[in-house]
Amino acid sequence: GQNIDQPTEMTATEGAIVQINCTYQTSGFNGLFWYQQHAGEAPTFLSYNVLDGLEEKGRFSSFLSRSKGYSYLLLKELQMKDSASYLCAVRDSNYQLIWGAGTKLIIKP
Amino acid sequence: IAGITQAPTSQILAAGRRMTLRCTQDMRHNAMYWYRQDLGLGLRLIHYSNTAGTTGKGEVPDGYSVSRANTDDFPLTLASAVPSQTSVYFCASSGGDATDTQYFGPGTRLTVL
Repeated sequence: GQNIDQPTEMTATEGAIVQINCTYQTSGFNGLFWYQQHAGEAPTFLSYNVLDGLEEKGRFSSFLSRSKGYSYLLLKELQMKDSASYLCAVRDSNYQLIWGAGTKLIIKP
Repeated sequence: IAGITQAPTSQILAAGRRMTLRCTQDMRHNAMYWYRQDLGLGLRLIHYSNTAGTTGKGEVPDGYSVSRANTDDFPLTLASAVPSQTSVYFCASSGGDATDTQYFGPGTRLTVL
């Protein structure tokens, strides 16, 4: 079966750095996405990786290792507004997105 | 309109009733999707449409139907609602960029009693 694993919940301090991991086992691979979802709102797109390596976008970076079936989202200089769930999704061989259950990130002052 | 809209925002429905959730996008995206999101679970695909006139089944299609008469609209119908269909429903679309990223509507919170 297909599976996306990410931690259920993480806590970090304002101003710090946090890394959210995602491991996947899917039938085929056509890219990995990270989305942010604030409580009661829709998921919004953060980043996309299809090749191995690091993609940097402001305070957020995303890393991919296809051989290890592994990705992480790195958030720097954490702000209170970063409190949200972070969703990892992999596009499989049928070109459909398989979603993880999400990681709830709690930021403390 | 800018992006994707969904209606209604929320709804309480008696079991056995028929309900249509509406989704409209103005981005001229070819593909559209319906997901449900339940606590502790990832987004699960109900139905999708790769282009106007075509539809396909996702992971959890039973009890739901869709149609895609034109590019902009992708309604989801529950023919006879059951309590297990209580969920938050998100419509999404893609096709506007090289990565085929999906963009989501604001969601419909549905409660079936």
